[in-house]
Amino acid sequence: QVQLQESGPGLVKPSETLSLTCTVSGGSISGYYWSWIRQPPGKGLEWIGYIYYTGSSNYNPSLKSRVNISVDTSKNEFSLKLSSVTAADTAVYYCAKAMGGWFDPWGQGTLVTVSS
Amino acid sequence: EVLLTQSPGTLSLSPGERATLSCRASQTISNRYLAWYQKRPGQAPRLLFYDTFNRAAGIPDRFSGSGSGTDFTLTISRLEAEDFALYYCQQYGNSPWTFGQGTKVEIK
Repeated sequence: QVQLQESGPGLVKPSETLSLTCTVSGGSISGYYWSWIRQPPGKGLEWIGYIYYTGSSNYNPSLKSRVNISVDTSKNEFSLKLSSVTAADTAVYYCAKAMGGWFDPWGQGTLVTVSS
Repeated sequence: EVLLTQSPGTLSLSPGERATLSCRASQTISNRYLAWYQKRPGQAPRLLFYDTFNRAAGIPDRFSGSGSGTDFTLTISRLEAEDFALYYCQQYGNSPWTFGQGTKVEIK
């Protein structure tokens, strides 16, 4: 069965770029949509965006100006870059397989803290 | 953006009781494009239902999903110990996809 694992720095300085990678195992990244979702401490879940294995993507308008999601089919992974981060970007970041709009499965999540 | 409001915020029940969780949308969700997830502490969210009532693989039949338009419901017929958790609804009928704020089902 497909499993996802997020990786990347747990601490990012304000104004810098947050970079995370999601490695997909147990199945191919090809043929599917893949997504990033985040949850700030004590707050709800927020969909960040998705990417198709071909590279086409769609982002949440609230983050669109700062987000880039890319895919590397040769490594079976996809990545998130969020620029100009502030403390408001502190959150647990999840990657997930986006089926028809729902998410299944999810990675375990990784906490990214924005602080100097 | 479609706003999803889940109620109640917290549901205090005993094992064996019935749980009814509500998810109300600020506008009609097309094609019943609504999903439910369960979140236990320290675990990844787990898909329960998609397209309102399609049960995900491995989800027990004590869970059921229903609704249409703007009102959706997740029902757990008889609570078991592992069901005490957080539950989120999510719509994907309109972009951006959005989530409700969650309902916590806790042991009374």
